[in-house]
Amino acid sequence: GEEVAQTPKHLVRGEGQKAKLYCAPIKGHSYVFWYQQVLKNEFKFLISFQNENVFDETGMPKERFSAKCLPNSPCSLEIQATKLEDSAVYFCASSQLGPTSIGYTFGSGTRLTVV
Amino acid sequence: GESVGLHLPTLSVQEGDNSIINCAYSNSASDYFIWYKQESGKGPQFIIDIRSNMDKRQGQRVTVLLNKTVKHLSLQIAATQPGDSAVYFCAVPNQAGTALIFGKGTTLSVSS
Repeated sequence: GEEVAQTPKHLVRGEGQKAKLYCAPIKGHSYVFWYQQVLKNEFKFLISFQNENVFDETGMPKERFSAKCLPNSPCSLEIQATKLEDSAVYFCASSQLGPTSIGYTFGSGTRLTVV
Repeated sequence: GESVGLHLPTLSVQEGDNSIINCAYSNSASDYFIWYKQESGKGPQFIIDIRSNMDKRQGQRVTVLLNKTVKHLSLQIAATQPGDSAVYFCAVPNQAGTALIFGKGTTLSVSS
């Protein structure tokens, strides 16, 4: 399809529980990016993939966050032992042309609420 | 590392006015700049981009100006409409060229 599909739209987890978010990039797009939006006007880059390979993971809090993009499966972002500060909207974007091209298409995000 | 910032977190205008949203960046080697619009409940949407070899680029009702001397970028929206109400972000490639870094957004509110 021509949209980046993120599921679920909303996710509520108790502190310490696991959260798993999914992203289906646009078919034919080989780059996938995850961003975290905690405050309405701030985006934090987490990780990028080129196909199933990690391209840049410098933004990932590695002790609890992990991500995968496997062939023929939606990409996933997993947070082990969630903390209150993980509450945010997580956006996935995909691109055909590369990590710094104009061709980023964003999904509508998954709102994670940790209580 | 690189940083991208905006001067004003909010901007309120009347319908029909022109809006100017500003962005400052730190990396003088940045060669590509993009403006995104984010409406409530949605992901960012591409508006317009500009390369570092240009000073100005125009789209439909939008103009982006680039001043490399002071490392400043602006987005001008002509005849602002209520549908322009959104959060606007500028974005630049990070130094490694592996992702876009977003500045802090400006919330534009348009009243009729």
